[in-house]
Amino acid sequence: ETGVTQTPRHLVMGMTNKKSLKCEQHLGHNAMYWYKQSAKKPLELMFVYSLEERVENNSVPSRFSPECPNSSHLFLHLHTLQPEDSALYLCASSQAGIYNEQFFGPGTRLTVL
Amino acid sequence: SQQGEEDPQALSIQEGENATMNCSYKTSINNLQWYRQNSGRGLVHLILIRSNEREKHSGRLRVTLDTSKKSSSLLITASRAADTASYFCATALRGGSEKLVFGKGTKLTVNP
Repeated sequence: ETGVTQTPRHLVMGMTNKKSLKCEQHLGHNAMYWYKQSAKKPLELMFVYSLEERVENNSVPSRFSPECPNSSHLFLHLHTLQPEDSALYLCASSQAGIYNEQFFGPGTRLTVL
Repeated sequence: SQQGEEDPQALSIQEGENATMNCSYKTSINNLQWYRQNSGRGLVHLILIRSNEREKHSGRLRVTLDTSKKSSSLLITASRAADTASYFCATALRGGSEKLVFGKGTKLTVNP
């Protein structure tokens, strides 16, 4: 275990549903990340929170909405998704700073019907 | 194209053999990191090499960095079936913050 947990591990939703992904880290880190991993594509950085402020938003569609209420928790709120949003969504945390490794959760496998 | 590209895309070897994976990148970096991912799981950090370092070791892993060629290699010696996984390089760009840019990865299969 890496100290980063994600729930749920699997999620199937229709295009009109609203759901949320949750990430929690127990490592005392102050930066958290959401990544999207699709087949045959590089890992895509979606959002970065550093010291609870969003510092990166990689042109992600507004149907994905992140929330970071404190340094230990990160959410990704989903609404009116498209089938092409089906992917593995990975959360990671680190100490803020460029020389620090990132610790990843196990991911949520999302399927949009 | 993306910042980091691993080569080969897939590699199949026998247990006991060495495995070498390469990563090329395009822009100046602060550091380069290698991660491993077992099928359908999260990534696990293996090793970080800074831009002013040329070689680093960790157990059976050896990483080299050539900033003049903008490339890195990961060598796994005496491979085991448990090393079967995908391996990714990630670059921390110079002038950047906490952002890492990942490649598509090399899928390594170690046959018993």
